[in-house]
Parts: sequence; structure tokens; C-alpha cells
Amino acid sequence: GENVEQHPSTLSVQEGDSAVIKCTYSDSASNYFPWYKQELGKRPQLIIDIRSNVGEKKDQRIAVTLNKTAKHFSLHITETQPEDSAVYFCAASVGDNNDMRFGAGTRLTVKP
Amino acid sequence: DVKVTQSSRYLVKRTGEKVFLECVQDMDHENMFWYRQDPGLGLRLIYFSYDVKMKEKGDIPEGYSVSREKKERFSLILESASTNQTSMYLCASSLLDGGLYEQYFGPGTRLTVT
Repeated sequence: GENVEQHPSTLSVQEGDSAVIKCTYSDSASNYFPWYKQELGKRPQLIIDIRSNVGEKKDQRIAVTLNKTAKHFSLHITETQPEDSAVYFCAASVGDNNDMRFGAGTRLTVKP
Repeated sequence: DVKVTQSSRYLVKRTGEKVFLECVQDMDHENMFWYRQDPGLGLRLIYFSYDVKMKEKGDIPEGYSVSREKKERFSLILESASTNQTSMYLCASSLLDGGLYEQYFGPGTRLTVT
């Protein structure tokens, strides 16, 4: 079945620096890759997603890149702010597109 | 706004008890999911359902069952709760082809089995 690996498990950056979180997946048929942010005590919420026909997508300070050949995708957050502190999950659709698998999560801490 | 609600935020049960976790969504979504969230393990899929009375096993279905009698409601059942089922349980819903669309999550139920 699909296996999604996410690194690093924890990441600490200084406010204003960039943060990068990387994920790899195993199912070559995966074609949808969302990223979720979960603040402490709250539910995961989608922050950005990318589909396999696109290599990069940006939304203000957040960007996601996808390399289908290498089967990896990354989340980039620029000019980090303390409110970016949260757990971030990547996910990849399973081949039949009925569900998806999540990475183990990255706890990002942005120090003021 | 999609709303996914779960019946309890916190639940404490004894070993061997039968436990019901309820999830309701109000957006007419076809797909519904149950995950458990444990530190370092992320979100692991227990079961999902793509239609009323339909269900599919996820990665960790052992010790759980589900029920979907109505489109808006998806129940997770622990037939005989055990301490290793102490966890945060998250319900989610999405449009059909749930691997291609955003999943909307409920607030979670933190279950403790003593």
C-alpha cells in the first residue's frame, strides 16, 4: 500500500527564516498531494495542495513543489512568523483515489 | 462552511467496554473517514466509507468496526475497548474520490481507556 514518509519530525527556526518540510511517497499512481496544518488542540486544516500535473504552487508565503519522477514533494514557508508554529502533515492520494495516506507530521516551532 | 462534528471531545472508558464514537457532517459529502492520531505516527486510517452502508478497511482496522446508516453520519465502534486504543480519534469527510479533494476534519475525540 501507499507509504508516505515525512521529514523532519521536528523543526525549529528563527522568525523570518524559511522552513522546508519534505515528504516522499511510494505509489506512482498518486496524483493529489495536500498539506494540512494542525495548531495545538485544533483540527487539521488544509493550507495548500498540488496535483500531479503541476510542479509548483504558491500561495503568499507558502509554496509546494512536486517531483513525480523522484516521488517527493515539499512544503516551503518563507518569512516565518510565530503563528506558523504548528504540526504540519503531508498526504498523498492512494492509487484508486478513494482515500489518502498521511505522513507522520512535522512539529514546526518559530522562535520570535 | 463545512461542518464536521464529533459527539464527544473527551471520553474515558474502562477496558472491555463497548465504545461508540459518532461523527456527523452537514455538507452532503459522500466520503467519510476515521483516523487515529498518535504522537510520532501521524494520522492513521482506520476505516472509510464512500456511501451509505459501504465501508472499506484502512491501515489499522483491527479492534474497530464502523456503521454508516445515513449519509451524514459515520460511527466508529470499539467492540471491547483496550488500553492500546487510548488515542485521539479524528473523523473527516470529503467529496467522492476522497483522495482527490480536501478532507474536512472534526475537532477530535480524545479517548482514554483505563
